[in-house]
Amino acid sequence: SQQGEEDPQALSIQEGENATMNCSYKTSINNLQWYRQNSGRGLVHLILIRSNEREKHSGRLRVTLDTSKKSSSLLITASRAADTASYFCATGKAAGNKLTFGGGTRVLVKP
Amino acid sequence: DTEVTQTPKHLVMGMTNKKSLKCEQHMGHRAMYWYKQKAKKPPELMFVYSYEKLSINESVPSRFSPECPNSSLLNLHLHALQPEDSALYLCASSQDLGGAKNEQFFGPGTRLTVL
Repeated sequence: SQQGEEDPQALSIQEGENATMNCSYKTSINNLQWYRQNSGRGLVHLILIRSNEREKHSGRLRVTLDTSKKSSSLLITASRAADTASYFCATGKAAGNKLTFGGGTRVLVKP
Repeated sequence: DTEVTQTPKHLVMGMTNKKSLKCEQHMGHRAMYWYKQKAKKPPELMFVYSYEKLSINESVPSRFSPECPNSSLLNLHLHALQPEDSALYLCASSQDLGGAKNEQFFGPGTRLTVL
């Protein structure tokens, strides 16, 4: 079953704009991860944020985590056409390193 | 080598066929995973192997049979599948199961069509 719900389901922006997507989850977590998937291919790990962290940056990516609200956000700054993909949040639990994925946000960056 | 490879890329099989999906990693990871992903849906965990032993089976039907012959290889044996089993099958690996930092590295997937 899905742990996370992502919002919005789809996002269309112009190149250079920022893209923000949100993820909410239901149970306690050990960490939350964001992945990117291009058109039915494998997933690429973007960033992991631990439950005791509030914000993390990696290049043009910024992730926040609010465990009191059970939510996370992913911000992509200065988007590029190559950022067009589906983005999934996944919650991780220590036991079994089991990842449960959210429904995903499909991002289209128009040149 | 930071890659997870999967073969074949595409597979078409009949409901009476027996086939296998293969996954390989040479990162020294001791945990490996199979996921199933239907179109426009998130990946769903099927199996987890840790140190070549089955750790998690997410109540997957027995027509899917995983095998981990060694720490670098993970197979998924398919038999008597149904058309609704058509999906993208993703393999992943991670250093191990423990700890707070265990990102999973995914392969490109095998797109399976069951006729």
